[in-house]
Amino acid sequence: GQQLNQSPQSMFIQEGEDVSMNCTSSSIFNTWLWYKQDPGEGPVLLIALYKAGELTSNGRLTAQFGTTRKDSFLNISASIPSDVGIYFCAGPPWETSGSRLTFGEGTQLTVNP
Amino acid sequence: NAGVMQNPRHLVRRRGQEARLRCSPVKGHSHVYWYRQLPEEGLKFMVYLQKENIIDESGMPKERFSAEFPKEGPSILRIQQVVRGDSAAYFCASSQATNTEAFFGQGTRLTVV
Repeated sequence: GQQLNQSPQSMFIQEGEDVSMNCTSSSIFNTWLWYKQDPGEGPVLLIALYKAGELTSNGRLTAQFGTTRKDSFLNISASIPSDVGIYFCAGPPWETSGSRLTFGEGTQLTVNP
Repeated sequence: NAGVMQNPRHLVRRRGQEARLRCSPVKGHSHVYWYRQLPEEGLKFMVYLQKENIIDESGMPKERFSAEFPKEGPSILRIQQVVRGDSAAYFCASSQATNTEAFFGQGTRLTVV
């Protein structure tokens, strides 16, 4: 099946630093979604991207839908301790039904105060 | 404005017992998705349902697993004769329509002892 390669697997940063993570795929995606998951909780949608080349911000978060439709990145600026968690990229590959999502393996973010 | 509600949050079953996981979608959402998450992994798609119909069950194991989304009431994911390998977090998501944003519940953590 389709796979999303997400990197890095983990990041350890100091509070105030900027963070960047990305996702690549061998398949074309119509939509790219970025989720955050806190321990013991479900994923929470951060940003949704619907068009190739689209750049969208949500507070300190910025995400872009790659022009080839096979990649996306997420940036977090001026990180704070509550940014700790696992970040997942996800999307419905164009040939799948409905909103069925393929997820990356996640980026574990640790922020040291 | 309730989100996706899953219950129970935690479920312990002995090997060979049955597990029933319930999911009430966001009010007005008719599309439901079930995902499974093993520790330190991303979410893996299991099944996609609309009211009274299974649309895509390509991620569902062929044996012991079944899902339904009746006209009235929550969606149910049923695992018969559980084995230790079924231990995981099971997440439900719902969306209003095809290819619209999916919102996740908090998950049910199944432990098979």
